[in-house]
Amino acid sequence: AQSVTQLGSHVSVSEGALVLLRCNYSSSVPPYLFWYVQYPNQGLQLLLKYTSAATLVKGINGFEAEFKKSETSFHLTKPSAHMSDAAEYFCAVSDTSYDKVIFGPGTSLSVIP
Amino acid sequence: DAGVTQSPTHLIKTRGQQVTLRCSPKSGHDTVSWYQQALGQGPQFIFQYYEEEERQRGNFPDRFSGHQFPNYSSELNVNALLLGDSALYLCASSSPSRKGSYEQYFGPGTRLTVT
Repeated sequence: AQSVTQLGSHVSVSEGALVLLRCNYSSSVPPYLFWYVQYPNQGLQLLLKYTSAATLVKGINGFEAEFKKSETSFHLTKPSAHMSDAAEYFCAVSDTSYDKVIFGPGTSLSVIP
Repeated sequence: DAGVTQSPTHLIKTRGQQVTLRCSPKSGHDTVSWYQQALGQGPQFIFQYYEEEERQRGNFPDRFSGHQFPNYSSELNVNALLLGDSALYLCASSSPSRKGSYEQYFGPGTRLTVT
């Protein structure tokens, strides 16, 4: 069965510092992987996706993630945090393009001025 | 191009009542999925509709049912509401049949409060 774990329910970084949000998945087949962001009282916005092409995926707002099959990881990074990055981040996995998406529990990112 | 829209935005119901939530998919999308997001948790998959039929279902009781119309819009119905049904209900649309299309686009959600 698919599952997603996100290490750290809350992460705090200083403005301008590196952002690293961790995600590990389990899947019986090569998966599709996603990172979504959710701002307070809003829906989910797709940051980036991995669909078996390049292992380093670039997304919106300067975020990127690297798919590492040997580690079953898909960590999200951003070189320099901005105040506007403060939000809830969800890692998600699906087995096929039409399959249900399984979400991790989320990581709340705080950015300290 | 309008994205995924949901109505109503907020809803307050009493235990035992029934509720219907509505979703219009993004233009060009034919598949609608529904998720329940409890406070402080990740979204949980309820079910998915394609060609007016339920294609997949998560671990939710039969009190949760849905429908998809010919124009691809969808409804989520919940009967015999429980306090634990209080959550943000998210609708997502996609078009898996379109080559290279994998992601789901989410609406803003409907906040349901059961008292």
